Amino acid sequence: AQKITQTQPGMFVQEKEAVTLDCTYDTSDPSYGLFWYKQPSSGEMIFLIYQGSYDQQNATEGRYSLNFQKARKSANLVISASQLGDSAMYFCAMREGHAGGGNKLTFGTGTQLKVEL
Amino acid sequence: GAGVSQTPSNKVTEKGKYVELRCDPISGHTALYWYRQSLGQGPEFLIYFQGTGAADDSGLPNDRFFAVRPEGSVSTLKIQRTERGDSAVYLCASSQSNTGELFFGEGSRLTVL
Repeated sequence: AQKITQTQPGMFVQEKEAVTLDCTYDTSDPSYGLFWYKQPSSGEMIFLIYQGSYDQQNATEGRYSLNFQKARKSANLVISASQLGDSAMYFCAMREGHAGGGNKLTFGTGTQLKVEL
Repeated sequence: GAGVSQTPSNKVTEKGKYVELRCDPISGHTALYWYRQSLGQGPEFLIYFQGTGAADDSGLPNDRFFAVRPEGSVSTLKIQRTERGDSAVYLCASSQSNTGELFFGEGSRLTVL
C-alpha cells in the first residue's frame, strides 16, 4: 500500500480563491509527522507546514493551514487567497516514528497547482 | 550563499561511468539527507547523516551507491557503474538537528546515456 497518496495530479484555482490539496497517509506507527513542501520549477523543495501526530490543533502558517483528520488519516493542505506565485508542484510527506531518529520522509507523487487570473 | 548548494547542477554521463555529486549544507547544520527524484515522482529517501556518520542508509538502492561526509559538513554521493535507471534529480537537504526542518538544495540532475 502507498504510504502517502495524493489523488489530484493537477488542480486549477482562481487568484484570491482558496484551494485544498488532498493527502491521505497510511502508517501503523502512533508517532509520526506530516509535512507539505512546495516545489517550483527551479526544483528546490520549500517547506510549508508541519503537523505532528500528537498535535491537538491543526497547524497554520500564514496562508497555509493543514486540515488534519487523524481518524481518516488525511492531512489536506489549504491555501487561502491564492496568488500567482503559488503555482508549483506540492508534495505531502510523512515521517514515521519520533523525529529523534531523523526526518526520513516518504513523499507522495505530488499535485501540480496552477493559479489563474 | 546561505542555502544548500549542490554541484554540478547538471551531469550527463555514459552508462558504466563513475559519478560524484557534491552537497554543501547550510553552515552549522548537523543533519544531512540525500533524496532521489525521478521524473513525475516525489523524492525518495536515500541516506541520512548525523555528523560524519551515516545514521540511516536504508534507501540506497544497491552497492553501486555510496555517500560520505568525512568532516561533518560537505557530503559526496558516489555512483559507480552508472545505469540508465540512475537518471534522476538528486536532492540534498540539511537541518540544524535531527528533528529540525529540512532545507533542500536545487538538486543535481543526472542523465545517464
